[in-house]
Amino acid sequence: DGGITQSPKYLFRKEGQNVTLSCEQNLNHDAMYWYRQDPGQGLRLIYYSQIVNDFQKGDIAEGYSVSREKKESFPLTVTSAQKNPTAFYLCASSPRTGTIFSGANVLTFGAGSRLTVL
Amino acid sequence: GQQLNQSPQSMFIQEGEDVSMNCTSSSIFNTWLWYKQDPGEGPVLLIALYKAGELTSNGRLTAQFGTTRKDSFLNISASIPSDVGIYFCAGELYNFNKFYFGSGTKLNVKP
Repeated sequence: DGGITQSPKYLFRKEGQNVTLSCEQNLNHDAMYWYRQDPGQGLRLIYYSQIVNDFQKGDIAEGYSVSREKKESFPLTVTSAQKNPTAFYLCASSPRTGTIFSGANVLTFGAGSRLTVL
Repeated sequence: GQQLNQSPQSMFIQEGEDVSMNCTSSSIFNTWLWYKQDPGEGPVLLIALYKAGELTSNGRLTAQFGTTRKDSFLNISASIPSDVGIYFCAGELYNFNKFYFGSGTKLNVKP
């Protein structure tokens, strides 16, 4: 079945450590996204990528980094510069990019990764 | 970032009642999406809307794309206990392939 796989599901980090969250999709989607979710809040965009080897900052990119070396993969690194990293992280993908009339676009999500800083 | 105002924040209803929630924005969107999220899981797509004025149903769920392209609503008819969860709206900015989310409506259904 096609979908998005995020790993690990749960991750614990000590302060000062970098951690990397994995996101893999087999939907053949062009665009991939990382969102952060805090309790009682909506999803906030961290980074997104519309094509391999290219990505753009979202609204809360500080303290995070990404790479897009393969179409299927979009890992997120939470660096020690992120002051409040404890959150639920969601990876998503969408099939269409760069079109003026981008009707019929849709976001598909993974199951999420919960990061806790000890 | 873009602000999507979603209301109400939470609802407590009796099984069998109808539910209505909505999202508004100061920006024009070319896509509106409605998702349901269970605790500890990723959001699951319920309904997608792509044209102003479009009215789409998915079983007991009905959603509409506002004619101004700045709002959308979701109705759930005859609610059942498994409708419990958090419902999010999401809008895609025209030509930017970026999606912005409302803060969610937490639905509680009492049997």
